[in-house]
Amino acid sequence: EAQVTQNPRYLITVTGKKLTVTCSQNMNHEYMSWYRQDPGLGLRQIYYSMNVEVTDKGDVPEGYKVSRKEKRNFPLILESPSPNQTSLYFCASGGDRKKQGANPPDTDTQYFGPGTRLTVL
Amino acid sequence: GQQLNQSPQSMFIQEGEDVSMNCTSSSIFNTWLWYKQDPGEGPVLLIALYKAGELTSNGRLTAQFGITRKDSFLNISASIPSDVGIYFCAGQGDSNYQLIWGAGTKLIIKP
Repeated sequence: EAQVTQNPRYLITVTGKKLTVTCSQNMNHEYMSWYRQDPGLGLRQIYYSMNVEVTDKGDVPEGYKVSRKEKRNFPLILESPSPNQTSLYFCASGGDRKKQGANPPDTDTQYFGPGTRLTVL
Repeated sequence: GQQLNQSPQSMFIQEGEDVSMNCTSSSIFNTWLWYKQDPGEGPVLLIALYKAGELTSNGRLTAQFGITRKDSFLNISASIPSDVGIYFCAGQGDSNYQLIWGAGTKLIIKP
């Protein structure tokens, strides 16, 4: 089954304790992205990756790190979490629809993971 | 970062009613997308639009790519309880490959 998986689904932690949220996709997608969702603000992009070893900042990258050592995995790292990072986090991947003229990769038809609800005390 | 203007923020409707929501942007987009998020899950793509003026249906859902390329709307006909959720619009322009997202429309169906 084609899917994006995230772990853990729920996490309660304390300020300053490093954590990693894993994301994996089995669709051979080139593009992967992390979002956070907060009430009234919709989805805000944290970081994205156009391919292995290529990562870029989104709209709200402060306090987060990512890595893309393999095509299927795109972990989100919080080196020193703070309460304002309490949120619902989504990983997404895309790239299975080839446009004419091939702007690589395809980033519009994104597939989302189930979400990770993080609480930082 | 840039965000689309999506309205309404929430809708309380009776089962069987038609629903309409829209998104507007100050920028021109080449792609408009509509996603739905069920409670406790990630967003799922409903409809993708790639051409100005395009009207596309997916079952009871119909979406249009505005002629000006700065807006899009989504209609749901004869709403049913499983339509409950948050609907997001997203647009993609020329400048980069990233999607710009609306804040979402929360659809609630009154019992």
